[in-house]
Amino acid sequence: LAKTTQPISMDSYEGQEVNITCSHNNIATNDYITWYQQFPSQGPRFIIQGYKTKVTNEVASLFIPADRKSSTLSLPRVSLSDTAVYYCLVGDTGRRALTFGSGTRLQVQP
Amino acid sequence: EAGVAQSPRYKIIEKRQSVAFWCNPISGHATLYWYQQILGQGPKLLIQFQNNGVVDDSQLPKDRFSAERLKGVDSTLKIQPAKLEDSAVYLCASSLGGGGEWNSPLHFGNGTRLTVT
Repeated sequence: LAKTTQPISMDSYEGQEVNITCSHNNIATNDYITWYQQFPSQGPRFIIQGYKTKVTNEVASLFIPADRKSSTLSLPRVSLSDTAVYYCLVGDTGRRALTFGSGTRLQVQP
Repeated sequence: EAGVAQSPRYKIIEKRQSVAFWCNPISGHATLYWYQQILGQGPKLLIQFQNNGVVDDSQLPKDRFSAERLKGVDSTLKIQPAKLEDSAVYLCASSLGGGGEWNSPLHFGNGTRLTVT
């Protein structure tokens, strides 16, 4: 399974755009990139998934360059409620579960 | 749709005692996972079921941990005897297919917080 590297923590202010980059140099051809969000006392929650280029949904965008060795989760205009831990995972179409790293702890301040 | 249900929400036991956690996945989800999350760390996979069968239990401490999935639906995770280092949140998740597959994300319950004293 491809190993991922993310910043341990990030700080931001309300209304700003936050970009969290994840490195996955050993990503395989069949691997997808998935991001999860976790609030205290809750299980992780799926945010977005992509394979290449750009994916956008109602909460975030995911940018994946052509070489796919990294990806960037973009959160537009964050609010205090976006304070959470964000995990980047890569996995393939096999049955094996994804491996979580330590994630990025995002702190949004007023 | 109803989410993944777990119980109990909290459990405090003494070391060497036994404990069991229960999970009811989202209806129709073939794959069920148990994760252990120690404070400050990401979730660590303990065991993965595909319907009734075990797909991966390589990180399950089999001398003290056991898990079963009843009729391919509900699941229980048991620890016997518990150690201090088992203090963690135990998360159950389910997905339609494998967790790495396209459009088959993991859906997590809110976990059981276990404290071993």
